[in-house]
Amino acid sequence: DAKTTQPPSMDCAEGRAANLPCNHSTISGNEYVYWYRQIHSQGPQYIIHGLKNNETNEMASLIITEDRKSSTLILPHATLRDTAVYYCIVRDRDDKIIFGKGTRLHILP
Amino acid sequence: GAVVSQHPSWVICKSGTSVKIECRSLDFQATTMFWYRQFPKQSLMLMATSNEGSKATYEQGVEKDKFLINHASLTLSTLTVTSAHPEDSSFYICSAIPGPSSHEQYFGPGTRLTVT
Repeated sequence: DAKTTQPPSMDCAEGRAANLPCNHSTISGNEYVYWYRQIHSQGPQYIIHGLKNNETNEMASLIITEDRKSSTLILPHATLRDTAVYYCIVRDRDDKIIFGKGTRLHILP
Repeated sequence: GAVVSQHPSWVICKSGTSVKIECRSLDFQATTMFWYRQFPKQSLMLMATSNEGSKATYEQGVEKDKFLINHASLTLSTLTVTSAHPEDSSFYICSAIPGPSSHEQYFGPGTRLTVT
């Protein structure tokens, strides 16, 4: 079973920041938070991961709460190409990836 | 980033025949590869974990005699769907990790299987 809870869908206006929440209240100390996305009919794409500190890369930012029980993925300037299903995954680095249902993000023109 | 390819990208076969899907890591050696299946409007479901040179580990409920996995080299894993039936029609996706304890897992583009 997935260890995360995400809203099934979200809308965001093009050009605005998309903030995707994820709850992982049972996360353990050695588990990381990973985000992947899947554009329709393609394989998943890695976005970002973090342990406890906030992280930023060229695609997104990851904000993890101090108690590590939730996190937010931020796409700073959403474009139509960001329309996808976004998966928040919690796992130990040596574990296999188990996908939950994810959040279907719709970017509105 | 690292690239994982799959071949074919789509295949149509008749019921009762077998189909082989290849997964290759193009620019890195993958000690471990994974196979997922995805039905329309559903999430990816892990089928099995494939380690080079050893037998694959199948998830509960996945028939190992129906879904044959071979990981003969550090860059190639194959999934053979034996005696395919229409209910096996799905999107099959592989992934690979470059080494133990690697953070990043790279996914292939997927293979669309349709059994008629």
